[in-house]
Amino acid sequence: SQQGEEDPQALSIQEGENATMNCSYKTSINNLQWYRQNSGRGLVHLILIRSNEREKHSGRLRVTLDTSKKSSSLLITASRAADTASYFCATDGYNNAGNMLTFGGGTRLMVKP
Amino acid sequence: KAGVTQTPRYLIKTRGQQVTLSCSPISGHRSVSWYQQTPGQGLQFLFEYFSETQRNKGNFPGRFSGRQFSNSRSEMNVSTLELGDSALYLCASSIGTDYEQYFGPGTRLTVT
Repeated sequence: SQQGEEDPQALSIQEGENATMNCSYKTSINNLQWYRQNSGRGLVHLILIRSNEREKHSGRLRVTLDTSKKSSSLLITASRAADTASYFCATDGYNNAGNMLTFGGGTRLMVKP
Repeated sequence: KAGVTQTPRYLIKTRGQQVTLSCSPISGHRSVSWYQQTPGQGLQFLFEYFSETQRNKGNFPGRFSGRQFSNSRSEMNVSTLELGDSALYLCASSIGTDYEQYFGPGTRLTVT
């Protein structure tokens, strides 16, 4: 079963615009991670945010986490055509004695040049 | 540091056969996890190994098994292949619990 639900499922924007993707999850978590995947290839790790953190930045990426609403968002600023990919959120549950990510269905982002 | 490597990258097998996939984690990483990705079910957790012990297991039948060696390299095995096992199998490594997981390029398995 999927822990996270991502919204929107697909997003199409122009180069230079910002892209915002949202993720909701169901149970308590240790951390939440965002990944990018290009055309069925491997997943590229973007950001990890822990349950006691509210916001994190990495370059053009900004991630927020609201544990009271069980939701997270990923903002990509000044998007580029190379950002075209699928983006997934994944949660590592609070009761896991180890690493076990539960993924959302992903958001397909298309950035038009 | 070299990233996570997976071999082979592509594999075609016939229904009923078995297959072994290999994963070499990032140097120093002791946790190795396996995931299956299909268009219908998305990304699903298979199992995780840490120091040669299986720590977590997803909801997959017993035909799916794995192991980890003392050098942290891991293998997963699928016996009696079914058409529905066609998928991208991804391996991820992590330095420990509650840290980033880094994924390999995956093995694309096609069962005919």
